[in-house]
Amino acid sequence: GEDVEQSLFLSVREGDSSVINCTYTDSSSTYLYWYKQEPGAGLQLLTYIFSNMDMKQDQRLTVLLNKKDKHLSLRIADTQTGDSAIYFCAESLCGAGKSTFGDGTTLTVKP
Amino acid sequence: NAGVTQTPKFQVLKTGQSMTLQCAQDMNHNSMYWYRQDPGMGLRLIYYSASEGTTDKGEVPNGYNVSRLNKREFSLRLESAAPSQTSVYFCASSEALPRGHPPRTYEQYFGPGTRLTVT
Repeated sequence: GEDVEQSLFLSVREGDSSVINCTYTDSSSTYLYWYKQEPGAGLQLLTYIFSNMDMKQDQRLTVLLNKKDKHLSLRIADTQTGDSAIYFCAESLCGAGKSTFGDGTTLTVKP
Repeated sequence: NAGVTQTPKFQVLKTGQSMTLQCAQDMNHNSMYWYRQDPGMGLRLIYYSASEGTTDKGEVPNGYNVSRLNKREFSLRLESAAPSQTSVYFCASSEALPRGHPPRTYEQYFGPGTRLTVT
């Protein structure tokens, strides 16, 4: 079945880069997403990548996909205190609306 | 556009009481979802509705029922609340793939959540 795993916590200093990692099991996953959840709020989509891509860059965000190892990462450059949040990795299959979410990585940015 | 709205924002119930959580979206999405979020357990899918008129069980459906009232609204009902149902509940919606169109993403749009406590 589908399973998405992430480490639970990451702490970095302001200005450093953050790298949040995710592994998934379903090799037929077509879309992979990163969502951000700020305290007391719902999830918001940050970025996504199609499974036929290796990398996607969007301003301070870089997504890397290693299909062979089923490994996805999110790099945040020049991390700011406003980036402190929970980050969720998710996958979905082509033609299916459902996504499977990881348990979330809590990113803490120290000044 | 309000996006996805949920009511109420907070609720406290006694064990055995019933209640309905309301969700509405104004993005003309076909698919809607109910999740619960518990510390250290991420998001777990309770029920979803791929399109108006259909509902399906997710990972943790026991103790819940849903109604897809129309395309906009998807409600979640707890018939007899239990302390194990203390959680934050999120509703979400997404588009469905139209026939003949190239593949596109299914990013989900989330409501602000309902914090439910069952004592």
